[in-house]
Amino acid sequence: QVQLQESGPGLVKPSETLSLTCTVSGDSISNYYWSWIRQPPGKGLEWIGYIYYSGSTNYNPSLRSRVTISVDTSKNQFSLNLNSVTAADTAVYYCARIKRGSGSYILEYWGPGTLVTVSS
Amino acid sequence: QSVLTQPPSVSGAPGQRVTISCTGSSSNIGARNDVHWYQQLTGTAPKLLIYGNSNRPSGVPDRFSGSKSGTSASLAISGLQAEDEADYYCQSYDRSLSAWVFGGGTKLTVL
Repeated sequence: QVQLQESGPGLVKPSETLSLTCTVSGDSISNYYWSWIRQPPGKGLEWIGYIYYSGSTNYNPSLRSRVTISVDTSKNQFSLNLNSVTAADTAVYYCARIKRGSGSYILEYWGPGTLVTVSS
Repeated sequence: QSVLTQPPSVSGAPGQRVTISCTGSSSNIGARNDVHWYQQLTGTAPKLLIYGNSNRPSGVPDRFSGSKSGTSASLAISGLQAEDEADYYCQSYDRSLSAWVFGGGTKLTVL
């Protein structure tokens, strides 16, 4: 059974860059799509973007100017960088593995999430 | 304001049947994009519940079912149990936004 685990700083200062890593175990990162999703405290889910193991990406247009997702197949990890953060970026950040359906992308397995707070 | 609209809350007694609606538009659900449902127990990560409108992943009880018609989708839970108390989210793809979108979530309370 595949398992995902987010890691990174729990506190980031305004205007700085939020950096998180998702480590995948129990299966190879190859041949799959991988995604980041976030959830502000007490609010709903927001899709951030996804990456294919080959490196191709797709981002939420609302975040595209500030987001970079990358993959390291040698470490079975993929990462999220979100720059110029503000308090509005405070959220629990989840990584997930995508299952390709017939023309759709399904968030099949999720990590437990990590809370990132943006504050000085 | 979420692109997909869900009722903020629903409730039901043990053993009853409840439904949760997810209303979209011609640019998402109505554009023949699949709808997926996730269950989020308090303090935990979301878990895939229904995919491709009506399919259950292995291990999900058949008390959970999904359907889609026009610009809306629904999640039905029959034989309600205390352990079903959670937040439920629908998800689809929006062609106008070129983005995956979620509903605002529905909190299910088992009375």
